[in-house]
Amino acid sequence: AQSVTQLGSHVSVSEGALVLLRCNYSSSVPPYLFWYVQYPNQGLQLLLKYTTGATLVKGINGFEAEFKKSETSFHLTKPSAHMSDAAEYFCAVILGGYQKVTFGTGTKLQVIP
Amino acid sequence: DARVTQTPRHKVTEMGQEVTMRCQPILGHNTVFWYRQTMMQGLELLAYFRNRAPLDDSGMPKDRFSAEMPDATLATLKIQPSEPRDSAVYFCASGGSGGTADTQYFGPGTRLTVL
Repeated sequence: AQSVTQLGSHVSVSEGALVLLRCNYSSSVPPYLFWYVQYPNQGLQLLLKYTTGATLVKGINGFEAEFKKSETSFHLTKPSAHMSDAAEYFCAVILGGYQKVTFGTGTKLQVIP
Repeated sequence: DARVTQTPRHKVTEMGQEVTMRCQPILGHNTVFWYRQTMMQGLELLAYFRNRAPLDDSGMPKDRFSAEMPDATLATLKIQPSEPRDSAVYFCASGGSGGTADTQYFGPGTRLTVL
């Protein structure tokens, strides 16, 4: 069973426009949720993570995500896209008390000048 | 600026040859992960070590893959014999003390091509 689903393998936005990358998870236990970014020919870098507490999480590079338990979602947003945001973004989840991370299939973000 | 290092960055080999990939985790981190990334399968966890002990290698084909941590500064992933289907980017990541939500820091990866 898929633990984390990313809607849209490719998303295009204009420079300056809102970025919205969607992630839904399936879990019967409180999840830990992550967003990672991967630039071409590089490893993954953590953008932000939700563990407990405040459901709106702010990360690096102006990104934020909101944990919505009722919707089982953890969508990633940024008010204004920059050209440098073009990359692939991965939503990830840890279920239970083990460090094993399950990654989504990724969303490639294209920023159009 | 502490980073995870991986060698080699690129490897081209012929089917049947042994391949060894190395990873140096961030000093002080006691968890190490090996991932494989392909277009078809995405990111897959191959192995997970905590304090140099393998805790989970269920994602790793046992017949040809092996992972070890000879010491705290070196993790290795070996494929013997290699096959074309092993062509992928292999990432090593290290984390902190083993807390469930510890951030994993990824290395730049080893791009393996098996001809």
